[in-house]
Amino acid sequence: GAVVSQHPSWVICKSGTSVKIECRSLDFQATTMFWYRQFPKQSLMLMATSNEGSKATYEQGVEKDKFLINHASLTLSTLTVTSAHPEDSSFYICSGLTSTDTQYFGPGTRLTVL
Amino acid sequence: GQQVMQIPQYQHVQEGEDFTTYCNSSTTLSNIQWYKQRPGGHPVFLIQLVKSGEVKKQKRLTFQFGEAKKNSSLHITATQTTDVGTYFCAGPRMIQGAQKLVFGQGTRLTINP
Repeated sequence: GAVVSQHPSWVICKSGTSVKIECRSLDFQATTMFWYRQFPKQSLMLMATSNEGSKATYEQGVEKDKFLINHASLTLSTLTVTSAHPEDSSFYICSGLTSTDTQYFGPGTRLTVL
Repeated sequence: GQQVMQIPQYQHVQEGEDFTTYCNSSTTLSNIQWYKQRPGGHPVFLIQLVKSGEVKKQKRLTFQFGEAKKNSSLHITATQTTDVGTYFCAGPRMIQGAQKLVFGQGTRLTINP
């Protein structure tokens, strides 16, 4: 199957700082990537859809100025959590959409904000 | 709204017993996908079903897509400890002009060895 990498796998930061998470499709081109957030023992919550070369589409209730998404190439999307606070601590997972409309997920980034 | 419901939420079985999780959509789906997430891991794509009434097998896993393309099931025969994890179904939906994947709540499978 298609491979998606995510970096970093985990990060601990102080409240008020910004954190950037990278998502790369390694063996396919992903014109569309998705960013999810997952709380413990819960399902995946879609945050935003990242489209190469255009602005991301955010789900209702997700602050676009808080979660900045950039999809500058067909293999890279980045999510920046700006001015992070403890309530932003979560597991963030990206996925790349393949030509067969299936999504392949990255390994996730566990963010802890102190 | 457009929802994908999955039951049960939790299932605990003895190793060797069978396991089934069910997925129901409020609307007809063009396809349904199944993912497995191990504890501490990320969702891994298992399979995609496209045709009405389709049945696919992967070793001890059997996936079915309903005739109306609104429900699906995943059945595991003779579970093993390696089957532990949360199984999610997901259906694509056009939402606000964009295709997105709507996930069920997941079924967490735990196994007593």
